[in-house]
Amino acid sequence: DQQVKQNSPSLSVQEGRISILNCDYTNSMFDYFLWYKKYPAEGPTFLISISSIKDKNEDGRFTVFLNKSAKHLSLHIVPSQPGDSAVYFCAAYSGTYKYIFGTGTRLKVLA
Amino acid sequence: DGGITQSPKYLFRKEGQNVTLSCEQNLNHDAMYWYRQDPGQGLRLIYYSQIVNDFQKGDIAEGYSVSREKKESFPLTVTSAQKNPTAFYLCASSIGTNQPQHFGDGTRLSIL
Repeated sequence: DQQVKQNSPSLSVQEGRISILNCDYTNSMFDYFLWYKKYPAEGPTFLISISSIKDKNEDGRFTVFLNKSAKHLSLHIVPSQPGDSAVYFCAAYSGTYKYIFGTGTRLKVLA
Repeated sequence: DGGITQSPKYLFRKEGQNVTLSCEQNLNHDAMYWYRQDPGQGLRLIYYSQIVNDFQKGDIAEGYSVSREKKESFPLTVTSAQKNPTAFYLCASSIGTNQPQHFGDGTRLSIL
């Protein structure tokens, strides 16, 4: 059973517009969430995280929103740039050093 | 520059052969991890280690083995018991629990 779900396998956005990537989870005990970005043939790179005590965290063009009641988080990228084209994974910390990853969303930013 | 180095980048295995994937980090991180990625799937945890000389099975440990004799090194052996070893393998480390992980660039393993 997939505890962390990214239901959109792909997303295309025009350069300069907002990209919104979504992630849903099923376990209300998860208390720390992360977003990673991955280019082909490379390992994921940490982007931004959020603790369950917050509902928003910003870092430059990247903002993560957490809705605990809906068990939903989203990553907003504003403005989107062609270099943002990559696969984005959300992950939830499930305790004892274990992280549960979603299946990823491929973002394509069109110039 | 600190980071995680995985080698080789590409690896081919014959049926019935064991192969070992290397992972070295110079970040002074205590925790290290091995993940497997298959097309259309998220990263699945194979093994993890919190400290030297200690490691725990992840969700898909069958057919794999690890060792953690040094803080910097966490090699993964894919044994002949792993019936479907073709995948992209990622090694990661973190400074501790509940912290972002740093990943290597992966090893792609294929069966000849």
